[in-house]
Amino acid sequence: EDQVTQSPEALRLQEGESSSLNCSYTVSGLRGLFWYRQDPGKGPEFLFTLYSAGEEKEKERLKATLTKKESFLHITAPKPEDSATYLCAVQPTAGGTSYGKLTFGQGTILTVHP
Amino acid sequence: KAGVTQTPRYLIKTRGQQVTLSCSPISGHRSVSWYQQTPGQGLQFLFEYFSETQRNKGNFPGRFSGRQFSNSRSEMNVSTLELGDSALYLCASRLEAVKFFGPGTRLTVL
Repeated sequence: EDQVTQSPEALRLQEGESSSLNCSYTVSGLRGLFWYRQDPGKGPEFLFTLYSAGEEKEKERLKATLTKKESFLHITAPKPEDSATYLCAVQPTAGGTSYGKLTFGQGTILTVHP
Repeated sequence: KAGVTQTPRYLIKTRGQQVTLSCSPISGHRSVSWYQQTPGQGLQFLFEYFSETQRNKGNFPGRFSGRQFSNSRSEMNVSTLELGDSALYLCASRLEAVKFFGPGTRLTVL
């Protein structure tokens, strides 16, 4: 069974204090690893997709990286508006009972103080 | 391009009742999936539809069902509601590998 574990559960940063969020996963075969951001009372907002070990993607202050066992979301010089829950999810290779299914981690609640 | 829309945004029901939630995907997206989000269990996969066919189903009881129409719009139904069904129900439409989520329907069962 696919599993995703995110750490830490919660992270408090001062504005400008860089840090990283971790996503460890086990999956029979990885089609893609996804990062989403979720604000309170809203649906998850897509950030990145990573497909293979060694891949990196960047968007503003966020950078996602992928290894064969985990992914990191690096936040550089965060601002208060980066406060949100960050969710990691894996999609196994297509076919069988895994078709279209994303398995999510529990998320990391990030709070950035001014 | 408009995003995924879900109606209604909020619902209050009592135990034993049934409820139908609606989802309109992003234009051109033919795949729609549903997820349940609760504080204790997080986001859990309910089912996915593609071209009116259910392609996959998560580990939920038969009280949870869905369907997709020819215009790709989808509905999910929960019968005989239980207190534990209180959750945020999220719909997502998919383009290739990426799922885009709607704002969700907050269901409260009293």
